[in-house]
Amino acid sequence: AQSVTQLDSQVPVFEEAPVELRCNYSSSVSVYLFWYVQYPNQGLQLLLKYLSGSTLVESINGFEAEFNKSQTSFHLRKPSVHISDTAEYFCALGASGGSYIPTFGRGTSLIVHP
Amino acid sequence: DAGITQSPRHKVTETGTPVTLRCHQTENHRYMYWYRQDPGHGLRLIHYSYGVKDTDKGEVSDGYSVSRSKTEDFLLTLESATSSQTSVYFCAIREGTGGTYEQYFGPGTRLTVT
Repeated sequence: AQSVTQLDSQVPVFEEAPVELRCNYSSSVSVYLFWYVQYPNQGLQLLLKYLSGSTLVESINGFEAEFNKSQTSFHLRKPSVHISDTAEYFCALGASGGSYIPTFGRGTSLIVHP
Repeated sequence: DAGITQSPRHKVTETGTPVTLRCHQTENHRYMYWYRQDPGHGLRLIHYSYGVKDTDKGEVSDGYSVSRSKTEDFLLTLESATSSQTSVYFCAIREGTGGTYEQYFGPGTRLTVT
């Protein structure tokens, strides 16, 4: 069975400060990992993904995540956040083939204060 | 943008009434999914479809049924709405090749059962 644990339900931070949103996973097969972002009153948008290759993946708006197989983690980081980064962030674990039913974490609410 | 629309976007209904939510996609994706999102629970899969007339249950399927008579439309029906079904409902499609896939989500339907 697969599982995803987002260790923090809420992360408050001041603008221009660095942030890390933590995600740990459990799986017995090869994994594909994703971070989605949900802005208020909107659907989920794919932020970045790890499929294979380089363990460090980046998004277009300054976020990055590092796949760490030994620690079974896929933490999301940004060196300097903006007010506009305030959103809900979901970590998701995918598995290859079949019907593809990904496993989602429960989400982390990032709240950026001025 | 994966060309996913949901209708209605907002609905208020009374306990015991039937409700149908529609998900429409324009890019001929084979796989479609219905999720509900509730605070503290993240995303939970209700049903999914892997082709016309081919559907299967997710983890929270009780009280819901689905139909897919055309590739582009995936309908979610609450046969007799209950207050516990008050939620935000998201439709998603699956995109990808070579054994790796990612999901793209619609804008959501906010359903309130009074």
